Amino acid sequence: AQSVTQPDIHITVSEGASLELRCNYSYGATPYLFWYVQSPGQGLQLLLKYFSGDTLVQGIKGFEAEFKRSQSSFNLRKPSVHWSDAAEYFCACDGSGNTGKLIFGQGTTLQVKP
Amino acid sequence: GAVVSQHPSWVICKSGTSVKIECRSLDFQATTMFWYRQFPKQSLMLMATSNEGSKATYEQGVEKDKFLINHASLTLSTLTVTSAHPEDSSFYICSARVWKGGETQYFGPGTRLLVL
Repeated sequence: AQSVTQPDIHITVSEGASLELRCNYSYGATPYLFWYVQSPGQGLQLLLKYFSGDTLVQGIKGFEAEFKRSQSSFNLRKPSVHWSDAAEYFCACDGSGNTGKLIFGQGTTLQVKP
Repeated sequence: GAVVSQHPSWVICKSGTSVKIECRSLDFQATTMFWYRQFPKQSLMLMATSNEGSKATYEQGVEKDKFLINHASLTLSTLTVTSAHPEDSSFYICSARVWKGGETQYFGPGTRLLVL
């Protein structure tokens, strides 16, 4: 069965430090991959997505993610974290042939220390 | 652009009553919307796919008679939780699918349901 795994439930980083959130997927072919951020009282916001082509994807708010087929990973990175980045981050994939049915990872809560 | 709204944002109801949640795409049309359920501190689980003008398709394990979905127009989908029970208490989130430089979904802010 298709699945998305985010190994880190909770991560704490200092403001200004770099960030990497891990995501692994289980799917035979290359799925569509997404990173979303969820803040309290707000809907999930799309940070970036990967369909094909360049494996390093740039997103909004200074985030980027790298697709690594050999590792079945799509890790999210940011070189310098801001206090406003504290939120819940979800990795998701559409592995059903572009049906739009997203499978979400468990989420990673990011806490930013001043 | 690409804003999705949900109404109400939260609702408290008595066990046995029915609750309707609306999902609207405010500045675009969406032939397909999705309904998700999120338990506290957990991920989103897809419940059903709502297609304008046709019956919704439900994921395995989701009771179609319990969770009625209607997609009456290109900008509105509704989820009705019928005869709600405390175990139906959850956070319900909708999304609207568009093709914008590839597959993209825009999510509503969610509706928190508490059944007493």
